Amino acid sequence: KQEVTQIPAALSVPEGENLVLNCSFTDSAIYNLQWFRQDPGKGLTSLLLIQSSQREQTSGRLNASLDKSSGRSTLYIAASQPGDSATYLCAGGGGGNKLTFGTGTQLKVEL
Amino acid sequence: GAGVSQSPSNKVTEKGKDVELRCDPISGHTALYWYRQSLGQGLEFLIYFQGNSAPDKSGLPSDRFSAERTGGSVSTLTIQRTQQEDSAVYLCASSAGQGATNEKLFFGSGTQLSVL
Repeated sequence: KQEVTQIPAALSVPEGENLVLNCSFTDSAIYNLQWFRQDPGKGLTSLLLIQSSQREQTSGRLNASLDKSSGRSTLYIAASQPGDSATYLCAGGGGGNKLTFGTGTQLKVEL
Repeated sequence: GAGVSQSPSNKVTEKGKDVELRCDPISGHTALYWYRQSLGQGLEFLIYFQGNSAPDKSGLPSDRFSAERTGGSVSTLTIQRTQQEDSAVYLCASSAGQGATNEKLFFGSGTQLSVL
């Protein structure tokens, strides 16, 4: 059974700082890894999807990496802004229909 | 519509009552998912619909939970004889239809269910 862990559970940084969010998974037979953002009272917004054959994906200030052998993914946020404040969730699966989600990292970017 | 729509946004019910939660996916999306998000926990998969195929119900926690998807579009999640542990945010998502691990999911804003 796939288990996904995210560390830290919460993070507070000053505006402009570069930061890394961590995600680890127990089953290396992962097909894909997705990063989502969740704002309070809102649903999830998909940020990046990394196929199992890929090592990273980039979108704007965001870069996500995937290392299947070590069971890790990271989300790098460059030049953080207050608008980046949200909960970030990673999710993966071994194929099929079900994604296994981590419990998320709550990020606060302060002015 | 432009996105996944869920209703109601909030539902307060008494223990033992039945509730129905509705999800209207993005037009043209053939895949539809229900997840549950409990306080302090990750999202828990409940059920998956893909076109006219039999749904994957493997995540439903008990036989009090059921879901339907009529006409390949709108879905209803029904919880019978609600219990306090059913209190959570119920999230619906849809995707174009290749399967959750191969494509992006689009989530609704969820229904906050509170069972008193």
